[in-house]
Amino acid sequence: QLQLQESGPGLVKPSETLSLTCAVSGGSISSGTYYWGWIRQSPGKGLEWIGSIYYSGTTYYNPSLKSRVTISVDTSTNQFSLKLSSVTAADTAVYYCARQPALRLRVQLSPGYFHFWGRGTLVTVSS
Amino acid sequence: DIQMTQSPSTLSASVGDRVTITCRASQNIYHWLAWYQQKPGKAPKFLIYKASSLESGVPSRFSGSGSGTEFTLTISSLQPDDFATYYCQQYDSYPWTFGQGTKVEIK
Repeated sequence: QLQLQESGPGLVKPSETLSLTCAVSGGSISSGTYYWGWIRQSPGKGLEWIGSIYYSGTTYYNPSLKSRVTISVDTSTNQFSLKLSSVTAADTAVYYCARQPALRLRVQLSPGYFHFWGRGTLVTVSS
Repeated sequence: DIQMTQSPSTLSASVGDRVTITCRASQNIYHWLAWYQQKPGKAPKFLIYKASSLESGVPSRFSGSGSGTEFTLTISSLQPDDFATYYCQQYDSYPWTFGQGTKVEIK
């Protein structure tokens, strides 16, 4: 049974880098069938896609965060990670990792909907 | 970016009611739309993909329709477990975007 588990510090200071890891169990992150994504939800707000990665390292980032985001994958440990630099209070949110099918809507494979989610982890940015 | 607009923002209904939520896209997304259900303190649950395809295990009282720029999620007979917030999401064009959510509350 597929499980995704987010982990990382629950408190980050302003201007520092937020780092989270998503451990995948019950399935291989190296499957060419899926992308692996990060989504966040600020308190009382809606959902914002952060970025997605393929096992090969191909990434898609939300342009609104692209200058601060790095997503990486480690196939040897079946994990993928999120780094968000120069955080402010506006980055306080519940961060989710999720699995997305790799879809060929046009020429190349791209991430689709968020099929399976982790439980999420709250990250608070505060001094 | 493609803007996704849901209506209404809040919907009050009773058990057994037929409920319809609308999601409008700012440009043509064909049928590349998904729906999710979220309960307080929980991760979103995936319900529907490709506008009208029901995910395995999702009750048949849920259905989706639409194409292009206008889509609907219908719950044919609202059950107590269905009181939640519902989100649409387009995956036609990067960046993937969500609607702002529709909260279905008890009347």
